[in-house]
This record gives sequence, C-alpha cells and structure tokens, in this order.
Amino acid sequence: DADVTQTPRNRITKTGKRIMLECSQTKGHDRMYWYRQDPGLGLRLIYYSFDVKDINKGEISDGYSVSRQAQAKFSLSLESAIPNQTALYFCATSDLRGGGYGYTFGSGTRLTVV
Amino acid sequence: QKEVEQNSGPLSVPEGAIASLNCTYSDRGSQSFFWYRQYSGKSPELIMSIYSNGDKEDGRFTAQLNKASQYVSLLIRDSQPSDSATYLCAVIGAAGNKLTFGGGTRVLVKP
Repeated sequence: DADVTQTPRNRITKTGKRIMLECSQTKGHDRMYWYRQDPGLGLRLIYYSFDVKDINKGEISDGYSVSRQAQAKFSLSLESAIPNQTALYFCATSDLRGGGYGYTFGSGTRLTVV
Repeated sequence: QKEVEQNSGPLSVPEGAIASLNCTYSDRGSQSFFWYRQYSGKSPELIMSIYSNGDKEDGRFTAQLNKASQYVSLLIRDSQPSDSATYLCAVIGAAGNKLTFGGGTRVLVKP
C-alpha cells in the first residue's frame, strides 16, 4: 500500500457541487499539506496542518476548507466547486523537521469542474 | 514578485548534453533548497537537496547554491531521454514551516 493515499484519483463534478478530497497516510508524520497544481504554476499551497488541532491557510485558501480528522487523515473540501478549481491536487506529509527530504506526496487527484 | 521563479521552458537538449536549469528565490532567509522531478500526471520526486553555498553532486546531477545572489541551479550531465520531465525548484523559507515551489522548467531530451 502507498504511504500517502489520495481518493478519488479522478473526479468530474458540476459547478456548485460540494466535493471532498481525502488523504490518508501511514508514515506517522505529524504535518500534512494540500497543494494544487496548474500548468506552469508549480504546486501552490492551499492549507497545511502541523497536528490535529492546528490548521493554517496557505497562499490560495479561498474557496477551500480542510478537516484534520486524525493524525493520519486530512481532507480538502470545495464547498461550491467552480470551473477554475479544475486542477491536479496533491496531498503531502512531512515529519517534524519539515524539510524537503521529509515530504512524501500522494499520487494526486485530478479534479475537473464542468 | 513570486517567491520562487523558474524559466518555464521547454529546455530542449540533445541526448548526452548538459541541461542547465536555474531558479531564483525572494526570501533572503531561506535555508533549504530542493529539486524535484515530475513526470506528466505523476507526483513530484525529490532528486537533490542543498543547504550550503557551493556545489553538491549526486550521480549525473549537480546542484549549485549562491545565497548572496539568491540563486540555485541544477545541472544534468549526459542527459538521457528518460530525463525528459518537469523540474521543480522548491525552497523552505526563513519561517521554516513549508515548502514553496517554483513553476517548474520542462526539459525535453532529444535522442
């Protein structure tokens, strides 16, 4: 099994629908992150969490919310999806050091909003 | 100004040549620098990290860091078609709490 599992892998949804992307990890890492990737824009940070009681906004949090249900689970929600949220979404985890070596990425969720 | 900037490319190099990728960053207090390789539709894969000024070599890859110029680069020697991918520069800033990515440089290695 993968260390960081994202579900679903692909999703097509309609404008205005609520959708949740889920991430679970078996790394035992405390820190979890949600990134969004658009062509030519690299990965942009949406939200991050350093433990179950800690949630922080990233650079592009508008239109998104998150929930850290447990150390191993971190979900991203789009309350009312819009077409410009069509992107590839990655969940990542890291240990307390937070360094690049400690980042483990999930396989990504490709979301299309029509 | 973006925090981490890269030329989007594509950078086209012949097989066997050296590919040179550049990255600049805005946070002067940044301490940790990384290069990730990403194949289309796949997750990023860490290939190099560098923390001190100078060069760091790992196989065919060399990372170079110049903190005074806020510049980090990646050299790929003896480029292979399998090196065709997008290369992402990533930086942990002075706050030390998250990784910030550049937009990536697409590299095409032609046989």
